[in-house]
Amino acid sequence: SQQGEEDPQALSIQEGENATMNCSYKTSINNLQWYRQNSGRGLVHLILIRSNEREKHSGRLRVTLDTSKKSSSLLITASRAADTASYFCATDPLLSGGSNYKLTFGKGTLLTVNP
Amino acid sequence: SQTIHQWPATLVQPVGSPLSLECTVEGTSNPNLYWYRQAAGRGLQLLFYSVGIGQISSEVPQNLSASRPQDRQFILSSKKLLLSDSGFYLCAWKRAGINSPLHFGNGTRLTVT
Repeated sequence: SQQGEEDPQALSIQEGENATMNCSYKTSINNLQWYRQNSGRGLVHLILIRSNEREKHSGRLRVTLDTSKKSSSLLITASRAADTASYFCATDPLLSGGSNYKLTFGKGTLLTVNP
Repeated sequence: SQTIHQWPATLVQPVGSPLSLECTVEGTSNPNLYWYRQAAGRGLQLLFYSVGIGQISSEVPQNLSASRPQDRQFILSSKKLLLSDSGFYLCAWKRAGINSPLHFGNGTRLTVT
């Protein structure tokens, strides 16, 4: 079953604009992760935010996490055409027994940055 | 540094034929290993994961099986492919423990005809 759901499904912006993608999930988590996938390629890890963190930055990426609302957002500032890709959130569920083997992915947001 | 190799990149197989996809990881030991499948326009579906040699957990009952004959080798197999097995198959690894990300291979595009 899919835990994380990204919103919007697709986003088209102009180069230089900011892009915001959202993720909602259902159960308690150890952490939430964002990945990027270029067409026909594997996923690349972007950023991991732990359940006790509220905000994290990495270059032009800013991720927020609101565990009370079970939601996260990914902000890409000053977007570039090369940022065109699908972006996925993945949740590492907090399970009884401490199992932490499985990440559950959403369906992704397709971001198109027009030059 | 760690690297993950997955092959082949593309594969076209007839219905009823066998399948073997291989994945190897270099530069780390005792990784957790994963097989995901991605259908067009959809998210990733976890198929199998392994936390050690010979230890395989199946997430979805289906026409596929997985094996881990060596610490850093993960194989996805089928005895008889179905049309519904078509998709993009991704192998991934992570360090054991929480708060460690997945590292993906480049994927195998499987088309069953």
